[in-house]
Amino acid sequence: KAGVTQTPRYLIKTRGQQVTLSCSPISGHRSVSWYQQTPGQGLQFLFEYFSETQRNKGNFPGRFSGRQFSNSRSEMNVSTLELGDSALYLCASSLGRGTGDEQYFGPGTRLTVT
Amino acid sequence: DQQVKQNSPSLSVQEGRISILNCDYTNSMFDYFLWYKKYPAEGPTFLISISSIKDKNEDGRFTVFLNKSAKHLSLHIVPSQPGDSAVYFCAASAIRSSGSARQLTFGSGTQLTVLP
Repeated sequence: KAGVTQTPRYLIKTRGQQVTLSCSPISGHRSVSWYQQTPGQGLQFLFEYFSETQRNKGNFPGRFSGRQFSNSRSEMNVSTLELGDSALYLCASSLGRGTGDEQYFGPGTRLTVT
Repeated sequence: DQQVKQNSPSLSVQEGRISILNCDYTNSMFDYFLWYKKYPAEGPTFLISISSIKDKNEDGRFTVFLNKSAKHLSLHIVPSQPGDSAVYFCAASAIRSSGSARQLTFGSGTQLTVLP
């Protein structure tokens, strides 16, 4: 099975711009979660989508949004970029059933905001 | 407020010896715990998990121990190999409602270096 893929792998944007990141889950996985990783902060949960619906949301401002398509692919959008948004953005897919449901991560998109 | 803490940012171990990585949590609602390994420029890779109904789970060289009363878990790697050098994250989750997804809360990670 192909793993989780994320595009693009690297991105440089300017403050105030917006950005869209894409994630294709493992075939058959219906849940996609997004995480932000910054130095010293570990991985912080952004949101989770299941069957095209946002099911869980972390403590991030409304500038961070996402969506999921009928084929389970997901996109994450960040509007009005700030310098502090520079981070590695990871998506993870899972079957989405709940208990014992391991998440499998993609390689991430490295976003740099200048 | 960090609900999952990995207090050691780094650990160095000699090849062949045991590596012990520790993790503490504060949320008593957590009932499922996982360890992930991360190499640079790659996403985290799932290693091993444990449910709160168990106190030990073993998979090859990797064993996870859970002490619920102390809200502490540890990952033992025996014997350690140079290829094990990576950042290790522990994660915890609590079921929100029946059938709902689990949100993982991660620690800040421990950089393990296995010296040849």
